[in-house]
Amino acid sequence: AQSVTQPDIHITVSEGASLELRCNYSYGATPYLFWYVQSPGQGLQLLLKYFSGDTLVQGIKGFEAEFKRSQSSFNLRKPSVHWSDAAEYFCAVGSNYQLIWGAGTKLIIKP
Amino acid sequence: ETGVTQSPTHLIKTRGQQVTLRCSSQSGHNTVSWYQQALGQGPQFIFQYYREEENGRGNFPPRFSGLQFPNYSSELNVNALELDDSALYLCASSVTSGGRGETQYFGPGTRLLVL
Repeated sequence: AQSVTQPDIHITVSEGASLELRCNYSYGATPYLFWYVQSPGQGLQLLLKYFSGDTLVQGIKGFEAEFKRSQSSFNLRKPSVHWSDAAEYFCAVGSNYQLIWGAGTKLIIKP
Repeated sequence: ETGVTQSPTHLIKTRGQQVTLRCSSQSGHNTVSWYQQALGQGPQFIFQYYREEENGRGNFPPRFSGLQFPNYSSELNVNALELDDSALYLCASSVTSGGRGETQYFGPGTRLLVL
């Protein structure tokens, strides 16, 4: 069955600290891979995507993600978080039309 | 460039009623996808429309239906509303070219409350 797992429901980090959000997937073939961010009461903003090629992908707001085929993972990283990064982060995988989503990881920033 | 817009922003209905949600796609996009996001969960794919036809459907009953218009805007209709239909409904637009879909860009959503 196709699925996406984000094992951490909440993560708390101090402002200025590094961040890694985990995403593992189960899919029949190499899917398209995405990270989106959602602020409270808002829609979803695309952070970055992987379709093919270089497995280290750069996104907006200083985020990057690395696709590891052998581990079926697509973890999101940021070297130094800012208070404005507090939000919920969703990993999604899919084909041409259907995206399958993780349950999200809520990022809390400590001052 | 205009992004994806949705209307209304909020809606309150009672069980058994019908609702129509609207979405205008981003300029240049020809495909619209709809998702349901229950509180505290990730989005669930409802269906996608391309060339005014349904191009894929998730695990939702037939009382969830949709339309796409020649200008690529779209409607989501839900009949016989149930309490569990309370959720944020997200519309995403994208470009489908040569049978291949691309990145989906999301609107702000319509929050539906069913009482």
